Amino acid sequence: EADIYQTPRYLVIGTGKKITLECSQTMGHDKMYWYQQDPGMELHLIHYSYGVNSTEKGDLSSESTVSRIRTEHFPLTLESARPSHTSQYLCASSETKLRAEAFFGQGTRLTVV
Amino acid sequence: AQTVTQSQPEMSVQEAETVTLSCTYDTSESDYYLFWYKQPPSRQMILVIRQEAYKQQNATENRFSVNFQKAAKSFSLKISDSQLGDAAMYFCAYRSAHSGNTPLVFGKGTRLSVIA
Repeated sequence: EADIYQTPRYLVIGTGKKITLECSQTMGHDKMYWYQQDPGMELHLIHYSYGVNSTEKGDLSSESTVSRIRTEHFPLTLESARPSHTSQYLCASSETKLRAEAFFGQGTRLTVV
Repeated sequence: AQTVTQSQPEMSVQEAETVTLSCTYDTSESDYYLFWYKQPPSRQMILVIRQEAYKQQNATENRFSVNFQKAAKSFSLKISDSQLGDAAMYFCAYRSAHSGNTPLVFGKGTRLSVIA
């Protein structure tokens, strides 16, 4: 069992609400990632970080923002949720070594109504 | 940019039989890492097997093995003696070895069903 946690597991929220999806890992990994998983199960990288105060946008344009103030914590925020944000969000982390595997959280399934 | 292609959206296998999942990738680099990940229904994605491109020997982990063909840029996963617990989405992934700040590039996944 990987030591990376996402909360909440499920979230149903109204349009226009601000939400923060939490991701924490206790493995001391410098690298952390957020993926959006579409209904067809394809993974899209939306944000990543290689250390404290480092964040980058991924391949998929996203209206979300992230922060990395502490090594273990990488929250994702949507300032104003829309139905198009309905999706599964996966957080992952890995060591700096290139051959290192990524460890994934259990995901947050977000529904915006 | 590197791309990873999984040409089989869905596969099925009888319990105890063998199945092979295909993966091809496109890269101009000579040094990289390849991974197969498994995502069971409603559970965490986990690493199944990893291959370093500089190693000619195919990686093996118990019932899981790969057929790594570097020249053909092919990285298939073979599951032997399939079990019901093998039913999951399987993702092939690539990471460059030339940059320390390169995320994993995933294929679109293959959904594997195991028939009892």
